[in-house]
Amino acid sequence: DAGVTQSPTHLIKTRGQQVTLRCSPKSGHDTVSWYQQALGQGPQFIFQYYEEEERQRGNFPDRFSGHQYPNYSSELNVNALLLGDSALYLCASSLLVRGNQPQHFGDGTRLSIL
Amino acid sequence: AQTVTQSQPEMSVQEAETVTLSCTYDTSENNYYLFWYKQPPSRQMILVIRQEAYKQQNATENRFSVNFQKAAKSFSLKISDSQLGDTAMYFCAFMKHATTGANNLFFGTGTRLTVIP
Repeated sequence: DAGVTQSPTHLIKTRGQQVTLRCSPKSGHDTVSWYQQALGQGPQFIFQYYEEEERQRGNFPDRFSGHQYPNYSSELNVNALLLGDSALYLCASSLLVRGNQPQHFGDGTRLSIL
Repeated sequence: AQTVTQSQPEMSVQEAETVTLSCTYDTSENNYYLFWYKQPPSRQMILVIRQEAYKQQNATENRFSVNFQKAAKSFSLKISDSQLGDTAMYFCAFMKHATTGANNLFFGTGTRLTVIP
């Protein structure tokens, strides 16, 4: 039973660049959420995707965008990278119909902005 | 808005002893869920225990138990018989009840727990 997988593991970018992070949900899950975890902080919710649409969004600028594919995998895109975007980006998945179930997390992508 | 506060940035405990991690939260919701997640150096966020707000009985999961005080908006985690593998960051998290699916999680800032041999 495959868990949540994220790629790449680490990524280094420079200010102003664009980045795409990828996530495959746990087998059987259809909903994907993205979180940003700055160093020494708890994760903060970016957005959630279901049926290829953004279902919920946290307090993040439009530079952060996402996509979900028919196979439920998801991408997080960040444009015009800032130093403050350096963080661990976590993907979590769940099954919508089961409602209020704990989300399962991946190992995250460590993004460093130089 | 929901907020989650963990007032203990770091804690340590001797192996085989018991430790309690504190968490308070603020919400106007009546129906919600509370979680403790563990994040070891491997970075993966692992669910430790879950509590439904409508249940008065405190959740337990093997060596892990919670003390849920709804009126006080307090949700502490007790780890009994601490093991070296319990060394990790522990995050308290809140989730509003959703009619379908799952709402997003609100996390505290975490408590770094070190189990000393």
